[in-house]
Amino acid sequence: EVQLLESGGGLVQPGGSLRLSCAASGFTFSGYVMSWVRQAPGKGLEVVSSITGGSDYTYYARSVRGRFTISRDNSKNTLYLQMNSLRGDDTAVYFCAQRGSGWAFDYWGQGTLVTVSS
Amino acid sequence: EMVLTQSPGTLSLSPGERATLSCKASQSVNSGYLAWYQQKPGQAPRLLIYGASSRATGIPDRFSGSGSGTDFTLTISKLETEDFAVYYCQQYGSSPLYTFGQGTKLEIK
Repeated sequence: EVQLLESGGGLVQPGGSLRLSCAASGFTFSGYVMSWVRQAPGKGLEVVSSITGGSDYTYYARSVRGRFTISRDNSKNTLYLQMNSLRGDDTAVYFCAQRGSGWAFDYWGQGTLVTVSS
Repeated sequence: EMVLTQSPGTLSLSPGERATLSCKASQSVNSGYLAWYQQKPGQAPRLLIYGASSRATGIPDRFSGSGSGTDFTLTISKLETEDFAVYYCQQYGSSPLYTFGQGTKLEIK
């Protein structure tokens, strides 16, 4: 059974940093593109960042480029998102998602809430 | 830049009725890269349809997807109580690499 478990969310001041983690199990982690998708309160979905299995290619939404860094440790089956220079509009639930062979997001974690506020 | 526009914003129907949700793209989408998701309050999205018309694992056959080019449709043939939720379409490939529609809320009439 595929499981994705996010952690690391919390309250942070504007300009601060936070590191999210996503522990994966139930599949061959290194074989899949993994992504972070966020959802601001009462709003829709936005793909923040994505990384290939071998970490050779990364994608960032324009809204986070230069501030967020995605990475993965295939030996630990874990995905990361380093978030720096956080702003109020980064407040959201951040989901970890596995992109399947059909190019869609097959599996999702339950999300971790990041609140940026003073 | 790719924009996906979903309509209607809210759809009010009764259990047993047929639901038709629309997703229109500002540019042509490769059908292989169009997906639909269902999201209930407090939960993560769940993949329903990928490749415009293929049902994901475990999805009931009352859900079906169709369309090509810039016009795509999600149809729920006979609504059940658990189907009332928010539905999102999503594309992969055009700039930006991933785009979601703004969502359609399907509510009980």
